[in-house]
Amino acid sequence: NAGVMQNPRHLVRRRGQEARLRCSPMKGHSHVYWYRQLPEEGLKFMVYLQKENIIDESGMPKERFSAEFPKEGPSILRIQQVVRGDSAAYFCASSPPSGPQETQYFGPGTRLLVL
Amino acid sequence: AQSVSQHNHHVILSEAASLELGCNYSYGGTVNLFWYVQYPGQHLQLLLKYFSGDPLVKGIKGFEAEFIKSKFSFNLRKPSVQWSDTAEYFCAVNRNSGYALNFGKGTSLLVTP
Repeated sequence: NAGVMQNPRHLVRRRGQEARLRCSPMKGHSHVYWYRQLPEEGLKFMVYLQKENIIDESGMPKERFSAEFPKEGPSILRIQQVVRGDSAAYFCASSPPSGPQETQYFGPGTRLLVL
Repeated sequence: AQSVSQHNHHVILSEAASLELGCNYSYGGTVNLFWYVQYPGQHLQLLLKYFSGDPLVKGIKGFEAEFIKSKFSFNLRKPSVQWSDTAEYFCAVNRNSGYALNFGKGTSLLVTP
């Protein structure tokens, strides 16, 4: 049973470019969460999605960041016009359809470096 | 403000030493508590969790944690560490009615042979 998959594992972008991070939840999971870890910090919640719905995006920066979880395919975290401060590790987690109170299982993360 | 504090940022122990990593949270109401571990080059893995019931929780690889409600604490313990326990350890909390995990900054544990 494959775990949460994230790709790419490492992403390098120049300032002003777009970054697209992908997350495939564990089989049978329909809840997806994105977290960001800045250097020397703990993980910070960004957004919680279910299929085709954004449930809570209270942790997302208001500009340049968006997330989706389409009916088919992986969840996508999109960062437009990246800046150096976006350099971080971005982690995706998923949980079963029985509810968000279930344990969240994490992927390996995508390390984004903005030059 | 809701927060999770891990007191020790870096811990160095010799093999067979006992381990205790502190975690305190500042939340009102009922909470769920978690310890995650991140081994070098690997993703976050769940060590143990507390939702309700016995406040002494046993996890994988010989780890345990005790929820002390009056102290808002959920400290992680292991009686005898091994070199393979070298990793980053994260305490996390969410509301019983919520989902967003609030993480501490992590504790980096180095176990020397």
